[in-house]
Amino acid sequence: AQKVTQAQTEISVVEKEDVTLDCVYETRDTTYYLFWYKQPPSGELVFLIRRNSFDEQNEISGRYSWNFQKSTSSFNFTITASQVVDSAVYFCALSEARRDDKIIFGKGTRLHILP
Amino acid sequence: DTEVTQTPKHLVMGMTNKKSLKCEQHMGHRAMYWYKQKAKKPPELMFVYSYEKLSINESVPSRFSPECPNSSLLNLHLHALQPEDSALYLCASSLNAHNPEKLFFGSGTQLSVL
Repeated sequence: AQKVTQAQTEISVVEKEDVTLDCVYETRDTTYYLFWYKQPPSGELVFLIRRNSFDEQNEISGRYSWNFQKSTSSFNFTITASQVVDSAVYFCALSEARRDDKIIFGKGTRLHILP
Repeated sequence: DTEVTQTPKHLVMGMTNKKSLKCEQHMGHRAMYWYKQKAKKPPELMFVYSYEKLSINESVPSRFSPECPNSSLLNLHLHALQPEDSALYLCASSLNAHNPEKLFFGSGTQLSVL
């Protein structure tokens, strides 16, 4: 069965600090997709990234970076030089190729960036 | 237009009421989704429509009835709900349902059942 674990329920950091959000996943499939979504207080989930299981290259997009390691089944997300606008709930998610209609979300990490 | 629009934003209903949630997108997406999200919990998939046909029903009680009149619209008809159905209902769309690159979400309807 597919499973996503975000062990950090809530994190608070001071603005400009770097912060890493952890995500550990579990799947029996060899082909799967990993996602990160951001949910600000306004409610809508905003897509940040999708990675497929065959692409272990790390990705950087501005202040955001992602570290995908199949050896540890982790897909961690780092925000560099955090800003107050980064305050949100961040969800890691997984879909399996054989059940690719279904995206399973982790429980989320609530991130507070303090001014 | 990269928006998914949901109406109403807030809804309060009694257990005997019938109401509908509406979702609309004009991105040419052929897959649409309903998710339910309780406070401080992750979104849980309810239904998936692919090319206007219901492709996934996650064992949702029949008091929730989805409808996809065309590729741009998705409704969720509500009848005889229970207080525990109070939640944020999120609609999403994607280009297609097979290996979706990403889902575009609406802001949701905050539903309270009294």
